[in-house]
Amino acid sequence: GDSVTQMEGPVTLSEEAFLTINCTYTATGYPSLFWYVQYPGEGLQLLLKATKADDKGSNKGFEATYRKETTSFHLEKGSVQVSDSAVYFCALTIQGAQKLVFGQGTRLTINP
Amino acid sequence: DTAVSQTPKYLVTQMGNDKSIKCEQNLGHDTMYWYKQDSKKFLKIMFSYNNKELIINETVPNRFSPKSPDKAHLNLHINSLELGDSAVYFCASSQAGNQPQHFGDGTRLSIL
Repeated sequence: GDSVTQMEGPVTLSEEAFLTINCTYTATGYPSLFWYVQYPGEGLQLLLKATKADDKGSNKGFEATYRKETTSFHLEKGSVQVSDSAVYFCALTIQGAQKLVFGQGTRLTINP
Repeated sequence: DTAVSQTPKYLVTQMGNDKSIKCEQNLGHDTMYWYKQDSKKFLKIMFSYNNKELIINETVPNRFSPKSPDKAHLNLHINSLELGDSAVYFCASSQAGNQPQHFGDGTRLSIL
C-alpha cells in the first residue's frame, strides 16, 4: 500500500540554522506530494506541494524537490526562525484515491 | 471568511454518550474528509465524501456515522463513545483529484 516515512523527531535547532526533514514514500501509483505544517493548537496548513518528478515546491523560505529515483521529498530551509517551531507532516495522494496519506510528523523547535 | 470551520472546538463528555461534530466549507469544493489525529500526532483518514456520496470508509467502527446534507457540509456523529475515541478530529475539503486539502482547526474530543 501507500505509505510515507519521515525522520524521527523531535528536532531542535538554533535560530538561523539549516533545516532538513527527510521524507520518503512508497506509492502504488504516481503520487502528488505535500508538506503540511501544524502550529500549536491549530489545524494543518499547506506549506508546499509538487505534482510531478523534479518539481520543486517552495513557500516561506522552505523548499522540497520531488525525487522519483529516490522516492523522496525532503524539506529544507536555509535559515530557520523561532516562528518556524511547529509539527511538519509529509503527505501524498494518488490520483483518484480521495485521501491523503501522512507521515508520522516531525516536531521542530527553534531556540533563539 | 473561514474556509473550513468545525464546531465545537472542544468536546468533553463521558463514555457511552453520543455526540456530533459539524463541518462546513465555503470554498466550493466537491470533496470533504474526516481525519483522526491520535495522541502521538499521527493522522489517518476516516471518511471521504464527493458531492454528498461516500467514497472512502477506512475501516472505521460503525459507531461513527458521517452525514453530508449538501456538498458544503460533512458532519460526524459518534455513538456510544469509548475512551479510545479521545483524539483530535479534523475536517478537510478539496477539489476533486489530487488537489491540496484545506483543513479546519480541529475538534479535540476528550472522553472521561
